[in-house]
Amino acid sequence: VQLQESGPGLVKPSQTLSLTCAISGDSVASESAAWNWIRQSPSRGLEWLARIYYRSKWYNDYAVSVKSRITVNADTSKNQFSLLLNSVTAEDTAVYYCASMRRYWDFDLWGRGTPVTVSS
Amino acid sequence: QSALTQPRSVSGSPGQSVTISCTGTSSDVGGYNYVSWYQHHPGKGPKLLLYDVTERPSGVPDRFSGSKSGNTASLTISGLQAEDEADYYCSSYAGSYFLGVFGTGTTVTVL
Repeated sequence: VQLQESGPGLVKPSQTLSLTCAISGDSVASESAAWNWIRQSPSRGLEWLARIYYRSKWYNDYAVSVKSRITVNADTSKNQFSLLLNSVTAEDTAVYYCASMRRYWDFDLWGRGTPVTVSS
Repeated sequence: QSALTQPRSVSGSPGQSVTISCTGTSSDVGGYNYVSWYQHHPGKGPKLLLYDVTERPSGVPDRFSGSKSGNTASLTISGLQAEDEADYYCSSYAGSYFLGVFGTGTTVTVL
């Protein structure tokens, strides 16, 4: 299984950050996995942001810190999931990772990460 | 939800053992046996080393071991090797509201 993040490296303040995680070797609709977004910045360290998973229907969980600004969707036709984070500020500058979860709370596989800078 | 507290750095000579602590609260580390540890080399994605406090995924050497006492979890690296030089992070489930939290990270230096 491999995960690959993609998206623009530069986003202007107040705009929407959009990232995609392509999955190979597994299915985004697997009923034994959850698909997560995690970010890392010097100021905030590692921070779990959100997850999406399919158990007969789609479910989402979001971190309290970004809940009002974040959406995660799955695209089964492309076998990928996406992150939308709106109203970004410099505080959202970070390396963004996607990761899989197959047990209660651990991330068994991570992508290499994609850096995002919020700047005008 | 505050980050779990880890020492900023630890170091050891090849062959020695080092232990990294991960201190939280009764709402995260102390309340659940869902602590995991990750090794992170720059430029790569983090790698899962331990889950559920003590369990090793397939392929992780048994030099890596975990434990927990109260609100503090620990990762011990025995027989330190040059390739163990990396950043290490803990993570814990933190209940149905916050879900999860990561540690502040520890840099391991092999002398």
